[in-house]
Amino acid sequence: KNEVEQSPQNLTAQEGEFITINCSYSVGISALHWLQQHPGGGIVSLFMLSSGKKKHGRLIATINIQEKHSSLHITASHPRDSAVYICAALPGETSGSRLTFGEGTQLTVNP
Amino acid sequence: DAGVIQSPRHEVTEMGQEVTLRCKPISGHNSLFWYRQTMMRGLELLIYFNNNVPIDDSGMPEDRFSAKMPNASFSTLKIQPSEPRDSAVYFCASSLSLDGHSNYGYTFGSGTRLTVV
Repeated sequence: KNEVEQSPQNLTAQEGEFITINCSYSVGISALHWLQQHPGGGIVSLFMLSSGKKKHGRLIATINIQEKHSSLHITASHPRDSAVYICAALPGETSGSRLTFGEGTQLTVNP
Repeated sequence: DAGVIQSPRHEVTEMGQEVTLRCKPISGHNSLFWYRQTMMRGLELLIYFNNNVPIDDSGMPEDRFSAKMPNASFSTLKIQPSEPRDSAVYFCASSLSLDGHSNYGYTFGSGTRLTVV
């Protein structure tokens, strides 16, 4: 069992739909990252959070430390949101700085 | 800041040749990470440095791989000799670590796509 699991693996939506990607982790963490990787391959760090909720434009990330679960929401989705979204956990103090990655969620937003 | 700068963007080389990948982290960031991404295994951490010192190299596949960080603004990942199974995208990332554990502001480079034929 992977330490970080994402669901779904693939997601297809129509433009304008509300999208949720989920991430569950089994390790103790100091922070959790959401990354975006576009078809061109570049990786962008969207959020780093250790509690509560963060919002940036149409993107919202939440985390529940007790349940070891995080979600990434996209409101009013657009074709340009099509990308792979990766959840990555930064373990707690005893494990240093190794990010543990989920397998990614391939999101396709159709016009 | 131009972000994390990696070079080259693409590298095609013959099996057995030496390959050197380069990374310039964001100024002020004191942690640097080398990752490899393949279809089969996704993103994997190869090695990371904190304040130019290698902290964890347990992800380095074998002795053919080596990484150096001679100063705060430059790092190299070298593969010698290269093999076809090393073909992957290699990412460099940097961040600010205030206490050696918590990292802030991860920034990834654009990656180097390596093909070994």
